[in-house]
Amino acid sequence: EIVMTQSPATLSVSPGERATLSCRASRSVFRSLAWYQQKPGQAPRLLIYGASTRATGIPAKFSGSGSGTEFTLTISSLQSEDIAVYYCQQYNSWQTFGQGTKVEIK
Amino acid sequence: QVQLQESGPGLVKPSETLSLSCTVSGGSITSDGYYWAWIRQHPGKGLEWIGYIYYSASSPNSGSTYYNPSLKSRIAISLDTSKNQFSLKLNSVTAADTAVYYCARDLGRQGMGYYFDYWGQGMLVTVSS
Repeated sequence: EIVMTQSPATLSVSPGERATLSCRASRSVFRSLAWYQQKPGQAPRLLIYGASTRATGIPAKFSGSGSGTEFTLTISSLQSEDIAVYYCQQYNSWQTFGQGTKVEIK
Repeated sequence: QVQLQESGPGLVKPSETLSLSCTVSGGSITSDGYYWAWIRQHPGKGLEWIGYIYYSASSPNSGSTYYNPSLKSRIAISLDTSKNQFSLKLNSVTAADTAVYYCARDLGRQGMGYYFDYWGQGMLVTVSS
C-alpha cells in the first residue's frame, strides 16, 4: 500500500497570505495525485487532479505541483472561505489518502 | 448536474451486516468512463477508500468490482441499473466500522480507480448494540 503523508498537520496563515501544503508518497505515484477540500459537515470537494489540473469550477487561487513522491498544494491569498481540511489522494496503485492538513486563519 | 444520495440504517448491531445504497441522479450508472465508489471517514479522522464498481457490458447484472484489500473479505458492492443505484454491504461489523460513509463518482478507466469528482453528502453509520 502506498502511504501518503501530509505536512504540516495544522497550518495557520494570515488573511491574504499564501498557504503551502505538502504531500509525500511512500513511493512514486508519478502524477497520479489529487487534492480535496473538506469543510466541516461537508463531503470532500475535488480541487486538483493529475497533480496540477484544476477541477471544473475551481478558482485559480488553488494550484498544484509536483511529481513522483513530492507534491504541493498552494492557496494564494487565503480567505476565510478557504478554512478547511485538505487531503491528498494517490491513484497510481489503488487509492489512498493522506491524513489531512487543517488550514486555519492566524 | 450529477447528484448522489446515500440511504440506509444509521445504526447497526455488532456482527451484523451494514447495508447502504447510493441513488444517482443527473447521470446513468451504466455510462462509460465512470466508476462508482464507496469511501468512509472515521469520526474526526481521514478518508479510507472502500471499493468501486463499474458497469460492464460483459457483466451487466453484476458489474466489475475492486475492493480495498484490507476490507475485501467483508465487502460486496453491487449495481441496480433499474433504480440507477449502487449498494454496499459490509458484514461482521464492529465498532471500528463506525464512520461516515460516502458514495462518489470515480473517473476511473481501464480497470483502475482515479479520483472522485462528485460525492454524496455522507451518512453516519454507528455500530452499537
